[in-house]
Amino acid sequence: QQPVQSPQAVILREGEDAVINCSSSKALYSVHWYRQKHGEAPVFLMILLKGGEQKGHEKISASFNEKKQQSSLYLTASQLSYSGTYFCGTDRDDKIIFGKGTRLHILP
Amino acid sequence: DTGVSQDPRHKITKRGQNVTFRCDPISEHNRLYWYRQTLGQGPEFLTYFQNEAQLEKSRLLSDRFSAERPKGSFSTLEIQRTEQGDSAMYLCASSLRGTSTDTQYFGPGTRLTVL
Repeated sequence: QQPVQSPQAVILREGEDAVINCSSSKALYSVHWYRQKHGEAPVFLMILLKGGEQKGHEKISASFNEKKQQSSLYLTASQLSYSGTYFCGTDRDDKIIFGKGTRLHILP
Repeated sequence: DTGVSQDPRHKITKRGQNVTFRCDPISEHNRLYWYRQTLGQGPEFLTYFQNEAQLEKSRLLSDRFSAERPKGSFSTLEIQRTEQGDSAMYLCASSLRGTSTDTQYFGPGTRLTVL
């Protein structure tokens, strides 16, 4: 089943912070976060693993609450380059099931 | 640059025609995935390969779709008798091992328009 992302869209001014949430109705073993700019391929940001390990981007952090089956992506001091659509994906039998995405627009 | 390449980048075809897309994964990556993405949606899983073996095919995938990875390297996705509903971005991704903790790297995609 597809994870649910919130909010659907966010507009920020450069330098502001944002939080994007991802929740699943099923148990999570790992959560994958990607960013996609218009007309481009999704780009890997971060993977969070059951047990707390995380691998990924140095300027973006995330949390993974296994009990609540939720993950949140934290974008601090946003830059114009952060604009795009953020997708979370949850693992299901060695494949990733993606949410519908959160569109983030950063204003100068 | 993720290293996954796809060809062509754009394809316009008439309804009823067959189309074939190619994906070249990152070398040494054992897993290769195909996804479809429509406007406002996340990538939707279609099928995946472990080396040359096709391990799973989405139930949403009709019999008009077929994929191959004959030598465990590049892969092709063919759509027969295209329909307007097939219009989408077709994405390919590869990963080294394919476990749930493995990173998938996406290619630039092939945008299909069926007229």
